[in-house]
Amino acid sequence: DGGITQSPKYLFRKEGQNVTLSCEQNLNHDAMYWYRQDPGQGLRLIYYSQIVNDFQKGDIAEGYSVSREKKESFPLTVTSAQKNPTAFYLCASLSGGAFQPQHFGDGTRLSIL
Amino acid sequence: AQSVTQPDIHITVSEGASLELRCNYSYGATPYLFWYVQSPGQGLQLLLKYFSGDTLVQGIKGFEAEFKRSQSSFNLRKPSVHWSDAAEYFCAVDFSGGYNKLIFGAGTRLAVHP
Repeated sequence: DGGITQSPKYLFRKEGQNVTLSCEQNLNHDAMYWYRQDPGQGLRLIYYSQIVNDFQKGDIAEGYSVSREKKESFPLTVTSAQKNPTAFYLCASLSGGAFQPQHFGDGTRLSIL
Repeated sequence: AQSVTQPDIHITVSEGASLELRCNYSYGATPYLFWYVQSPGQGLQLLLKYFSGDTLVQGIKGFEAEFKRSQSSFNLRKPSVHWSDAAEYFCAVDFSGGYNKLIFGAGTRLAVHP
């Protein structure tokens, strides 16, 4: 079955460490997105990529970095510069063209030890 | 700044009762509108979407939503709620003219009493 796989489901990080969240899709979608979800705040866009080797900052990109070397993969690195990284992170993708809904993975919950 | 407001943080209904979840958005040219549902610890599943045409749209799981341009609203409804509908519901709006940059509301958590 086609879908979006986020791993791991739960991730723990020590303060001062970088950590990378994985997002893989086999839907052959062009665009991919990373969102952060905090209680009572809905989803906020971190980064998005509409094509391989290209990505743009979203609303809350500070302290995060991404790469898009392959169409199916869009990893997110939470750097030590992100002062409050504890959150639920969601990856999404969609096929090319306008008016298409985004498809979401099941998320990764990141906690600071 | 463009924004999406879901005025109700929590709603509790009895099983079999009707449901309406509210969503309002700040003014913008031709928004594209979505409702998603999220079960605890899971990703988001699309319930329905509105781009143009008939302002009453039907979605999955018996949900429908009505777009009212004059009120900048896109409320989600279901005539009879089932216990399995308990989840968090998010309204999302694409103000970018179809370029898929979504702004999400803060969500409404629905509890269903037996």
